[in-house]
Amino acid sequence: AQSVTQLDSHVSVSEGTPVLLRCNYSSSYSPSLFWYVQHPNKGLQLLLKYTSAATLVKGINGFEAEFKKSETSFHLTKPSAHMSDAAEYFCVVSDFADGLTFGKGTHLIIQP
Amino acid sequence: DGGITQSPKYLFRKEGQNVTLSCEQNLNHDAMYWYRQDPGQGLRLIYYSQIVNDFQKGDIAEGYSVSREKKESFPLTVTSAQKNPTAFYLCASSAGAGGNQPQHFGDGTRLSIL
Repeated sequence: AQSVTQLDSHVSVSEGTPVLLRCNYSSSYSPSLFWYVQHPNKGLQLLLKYTSAATLVKGINGFEAEFKKSETSFHLTKPSAHMSDAAEYFCVVSDFADGLTFGKGTHLIIQP
Repeated sequence: DGGITQSPKYLFRKEGQNVTLSCEQNLNHDAMYWYRQDPGQGLRLIYYSQIVNDFQKGDIAEGYSVSREKKESFPLTVTSAQKNPTAFYLCASSAGAGGNQPQHFGDGTRLSIL
């Protein structure tokens, strides 16, 4: 069975500083990995996806993530945080056997 | 614009009442999903459908029912058997059920008990 662990339930950064949201996964197969963002009372929006092509994946709004098989990690980064980045972020793992499994989310707080 | 529409945005249920949440998509996607979101719990799969007239139970199907009579529509009924229905419900769709297909989400329905 697959699983995903988001290592921080809350992350707080100052505006203009880098963002790092950590995600580790477990899968018996070659998984696909996704990051989604959710603003309050809204649905989830796809930020980026990894599907066995380039290990460094660029997404929307300046976010990117690196797939590291040896570390079973898929951390999300952004060089410079903006106030509009404040939201809940979900890491998702998927393989053909188990469908999608969502992490419990990381709440990103941006300090002015 | 293509997308997923969920209605209503807010819904209140009385004791012993069944309520139905609407989900419509115009993305021409084959697969549709219903999730329940509770604070700090992430998303949990209730039901999914890969094709019209077929659907499968997810991880927490008890107390819920669905139908898939049209490709565009996947309504969810929260029955009186669901004893703790207060949650945020999200509908999603994808082009196929394969693991590398991203899901597209509606803006959710928040259900509360009166």
